Amino acid sequence: AQSVSQHNHHVILSEAASLELGCNYSYGGTVNLFWYVQYPGQHLQLLLKYFSGDPLVKGIKGFEAEFIKSKFSFNLRKPSVQWSDTAEYFCAVNARGSTLGRLYFGRGTQLTVWP
Amino acid sequence: DSGVTQTPKHLITATGQRVTLRCSPRSGDLSVYWYQQSLDQGLQFLIQYYNGEERAKGNILERFSAQQFPDLHSELNLSSLELGDSALYFCASSGGHTNEQFFGPGTRLTVL
Repeated sequence: AQSVSQHNHHVILSEAASLELGCNYSYGGTVNLFWYVQYPGQHLQLLLKYFSGDPLVKGIKGFEAEFIKSKFSFNLRKPSVQWSDTAEYFCAVNARGSTLGRLYFGRGTQLTVWP
Repeated sequence: DSGVTQTPKHLITATGQRVTLRCSPRSGDLSVYWYQQSLDQGLQFLIQYYNGEERAKGNILERFSAQQFPDLHSELNLSSLELGDSALYFCASSGGHTNEQFFGPGTRLTVL
């Protein structure tokens, strides 16, 4: 069965600390991978995506993620977090090249950054 | 702004009632997806429509139904509402081969 696991439920950091959020997936096929961010009271916004090619992808606001196929992982990183990064982060996966594009989401990681 | 619109933004109703949530996809997107976000279940896929036809069903209750109209907007109908149906309901749309989905602002449903 398809599933997405996010290892950390809640991460608390000070400003300028480095961030890494873990994501592993289980999916029987070729996948697209996504990280979405949800700021308090807002909708989901796409941070970055991986479809194919270079496994290190860069997104908005200084975020990046690395796809490691052998580990079925797509971890999100940022070298130096800011207070404004406080939000919930969701890893998601769907099938590549299909019109059946439903997203499977992880349970989310709440990131709190202290100034 | 993702280009996906949803109305209403907030909805407060009573148990046993029926409500309709509306979604307009981005211009040109043929697929519309509905998701439910709740504290205990997280983000759950409900249903997908593609160019007017149902393509996939997820964890959608029998009390819930949806449709996509010829102009590609979609409606999610929730009936016989229960307290546990209180949640954020998101609509997303996608087009092309990448299946990248763009999310609307959501409708917050509160059942009292």
